[in-house]
Amino acid sequence: GENVEQHPSTLSVQEGDSAVIKCTYSDSASNYFPWYKQELGKRPQLIIDIRSNVGEKKDQRIAVTLNKTAKHFSLHITETQPEDSAVYFCAASWTGTASKLTFGTGTRLQVTL
Amino acid sequence: KAGVTQTPRYLIKTRGQQVTLSCSPISGHRSVSWYQQTPGQGLQFLFEYFSETQRNKGNFPGRFSGRQFSNSRSEMNVSTLELGDSALYLCASSLGDTTTEAFFGQGTRLTVV
Repeated sequence: GENVEQHPSTLSVQEGDSAVIKCTYSDSASNYFPWYKQELGKRPQLIIDIRSNVGEKKDQRIAVTLNKTAKHFSLHITETQPEDSAVYFCAASWTGTASKLTFGTGTRLQVTL
Repeated sequence: KAGVTQTPRYLIKTRGQQVTLSCSPISGHRSVSWYQQTPGQGLQFLFEYFSETQRNKGNFPGRFSGRQFSNSRSEMNVSTLELGDSALYLCASSLGDTTTEAFFGQGTRLTVV
């Protein structure tokens, strides 16, 4: 089955700096890659997603890049703010839908003042 | 519109008992997926129901089962509870096609003692 590895497990950056989280997946058939943010005690919320026919997608301070050949995708957050502090999960799906997701192990991002 | 609703929010059960969790998806969504979240294993896919049929299944034992009703509400049942079943159980709803994201509920925190 699909396996998703995520690094780093913890990341501390100063406010205003950029943060990068990387994931690799094992199943070359995977074609949908969402990123979720989970604040303490709250539900995971989608922050951005990308499909296999696109190499990069951006939404304000957040961007995701996908390298199908290397089977890895990355989340980039620029101009980090304290409210960006949370656990971020990458995920992959071969179904093309958001219905069966294999998640990475999560990255705890801490943005310090 | 209303989001994904899970009930109950918290449950405490004894080993050997069984438990039923409920998930009401967003109106119009036909797909409901269930995930188990634990500190050690992260987010793991249990199964997905689409239009009252199990469409995808993860690698959990047969003690974990589910069903979906004609109004798309879904229930998950765990029989013969074990201590290791203590976790946050999340459901996610989506249209189930290739164009949309999954929205998570707040989860049910199950503690087995």
